Amino acid sequence: DAGVIQSPRHEVTEMGQEVTLRCKPISGHNSLFWYRQTMMRGLELLIYFNNNVPIDDSGMPEDRFSAKMPNASFSTLKIQPSEPRDSAVYFCASSLRGAGSYGYTFGSGTRLTVV
Amino acid sequence: GQQLNQSPQSMFIQEGEDVSMNCTSSSIFNTWLWYKQDPGEGPVLLIALYKAGELTSNGRLTAQFGITRKDSFLNISASIPSDVGIYFCAGPGGGSNYKLTFGKGTLLTVNP
Repeated sequence: DAGVIQSPRHEVTEMGQEVTLRCKPISGHNSLFWYRQTMMRGLELLIYFNNNVPIDDSGMPEDRFSAKMPNASFSTLKIQPSEPRDSAVYFCASSLRGAGSYGYTFGSGTRLTVV
Repeated sequence: GQQLNQSPQSMFIQEGEDVSMNCTSSSIFNTWLWYKQDPGEGPVLLIALYKAGELTSNGRLTAQFGITRKDSFLNISASIPSDVGIYFCAGPGGGSNYKLTFGKGTLLTVNP
């Protein structure tokens, strides 16, 4: 199994630009999560999809952030317009059954730098 | 929201030494998970604990689910350089079954 695949691995963009992060979950996993990691706040859940439907987006910082999951094998996290404070590592994770009790499988992350 | 407090925040040890770290919560957790994050990678699940008092091993790693269900411990025996990384505790909390709350992590550095 290839695991959770994220792209790009690194992204440097200018403030105000649109940024799109991509994720391919593990085949057969029906739950997908987007997390953000910063030194100050650690790992924070942004949004949770179950069977391609957004279930909990309470962690999405503001309207500049949006996430979609058009099918079971692909999800995007978009930031428009981007700001320097959005600089962080963004992780996608997937799991079977959506049960946190069994843990998630994380991708390698996208390191976003907004200058 | 629920918080997990990990200690120590960082450790610098010599190769071959044993390591202990812990995680505490103000509320009860029914599951404790321990993850390791290598530099530039995502967290990887090491050990999952499901019962109070449970002791589970994975190679040189041993984790325990505290009796009060408000804490957990991770021990690494005979550390090696590849043990370097950030160790996170986590558990499903906040009233949901899917949302994992993570501690801030313990950064481990192993000097060869």
